[in-house]
Amino acid sequence: DIQMTQSPSSLSASVGDRVTITCRASQGISNYLAWYQQKPGKVPKLLIYAASTLQSGVPSRFSGSGSGTDFTLTISSLQPEDVATYYCQKYNSAPFTFGPGTKVDIK
Amino acid sequence: QVQLQESGPGLVKPSGTLSLTCAVSGGSISSSNWWSWVRQPPGKGLEWIGEIYHSGSTNYNPSLKSRVTISVDKSKNQFSLKLSSVTAADTAVYYCARRCIALCPFGYWGQGTLVTVSS
Repeated sequence: DIQMTQSPSSLSASVGDRVTITCRASQGISNYLAWYQQKPGKVPKLLIYAASTLQSGVPSRFSGSGSGTDFTLTISSLQPEDVATYYCQKYNSAPFTFGPGTKVDIK
Repeated sequence: QVQLQESGPGLVKPSGTLSLTCAVSGGSISSSNWWSWVRQPPGKGLEWIGEIYHSGSTNYNPSLKSRVTISVDKSKNQFSLKLSSVTAADTAVYYCARRCIALCPFGYWGQGTLVTVSS
């Protein structure tokens, strides 16, 4: 099965900073990569699908890129409401594995 | 707007069977979607358990396949999860979720329900 890794596992940044999270698949998955945001005690929320397509209603400061095995999620200007754990997920085929998550907080 | 709602016992004894149901409202379970279960142990990450289509076709996570059964009840517009031989490691928030029939991520999630495995 394809394994998903993320780096870093956690980060602390200042409001307004540019934040980048990396996700890597152990085999190529084309662009079948999604990003989810999970705030503490809340349900995961789909942010980005097809590696770079923003889900409706998601702020434009979020963006995604990549294809094949290497992907990135970027927050162009970190806001207090972005404090959350971010997960990548492959969905090219079952099992639909999630990455281990990246916890983002405010410095 | 489709809504998903999990229900079931919050406490299961070790070696027992965990049983949960996900009720679908605002849409038909017979629509062109796959219906999944995802779990999250306290303080840990997300794990996909498996999914079902209204025809009864299923896909399971190989790591859990021997213990998992997912079924659908079209008359009640709901689907269910059974996980057998549970241990404390199965303690988690269990979510139901929906993805489209094509290659899609999980666009809709239930609120989740905590199941604790303890004697």
